[in-house]
Amino acid sequence: ELKVEQNPLFLSMQEGKNYTIYCNYSTTSDRLYWYRQDPGKSLESLFVLLSNGAVKQEGRLMASLDTKARLSTLHITAAVHDLSATYFCAVDGPGSGNTPLVFGKGTRLSVIA
Amino acid sequence: EPEVTQTPSHQVTQMGQEVILRCVPISNHLYFYWYRQILGQKVEFLVSFYNNEISEKSEIFDDQFSVERPDGSNFTLKIRSTKLEDSAMYFCASSELFGYTFGSGTRLTVV
Repeated sequence: ELKVEQNPLFLSMQEGKNYTIYCNYSTTSDRLYWYRQDPGKSLESLFVLLSNGAVKQEGRLMASLDTKARLSTLHITAAVHDLSATYFCAVDGPGSGNTPLVFGKGTRLSVIA
Repeated sequence: EPEVTQTPSHQVTQMGQEVILRCVPISNHLYFYWYRQILGQKVEFLVSFYNNEISEKSEIFDDQFSVERPDGSNFTLKIRSTKLEDSAMYFCASSELFGYTFGSGTRLTVV
């Protein structure tokens, strides 16, 4: 059974600081997704990582994937208040085609002045 | 940008009643999904649908649940006899090959 673990689950950080959120998963998968969720809202796609070594950046967020280590990181650079949200990683199950996503528990990020 | 549309945005129902949650996936997508998120918890897979049939379902998706694609555009989730623990946000998603687009969700409250 595929398991996805994120840490930390809660993160309070000061504006301007850097931090990394980690996402580990238990079985082979080449596809990993990062989503942002604001309270009471839907899941906004941030990054789709499709291969080992993939690195994607958008603004202050950068995501990477190491399929050998079964690890993805979401790095936050110089945090600002607008980044406060819950961040989920999700992994496709093994096999070709569209297998259901398995989500981590999410990291609730609070950026404070 | 194409969207997945869900209706209603919020539904309150009495325990034991049937509810139907509606979704309009992106038109050229082939795979459709329902996920749910109990307040403050992670997103859980319910069911996937491809080529007019269920392709995979989770343990949560028991006999109380059913899905349908009644016409070429709508994709529905029916809960036959709601329980208090069915209260959650229900998300519909669709995909082509890689990447999933989620709808804005239906908040179901069972009282």
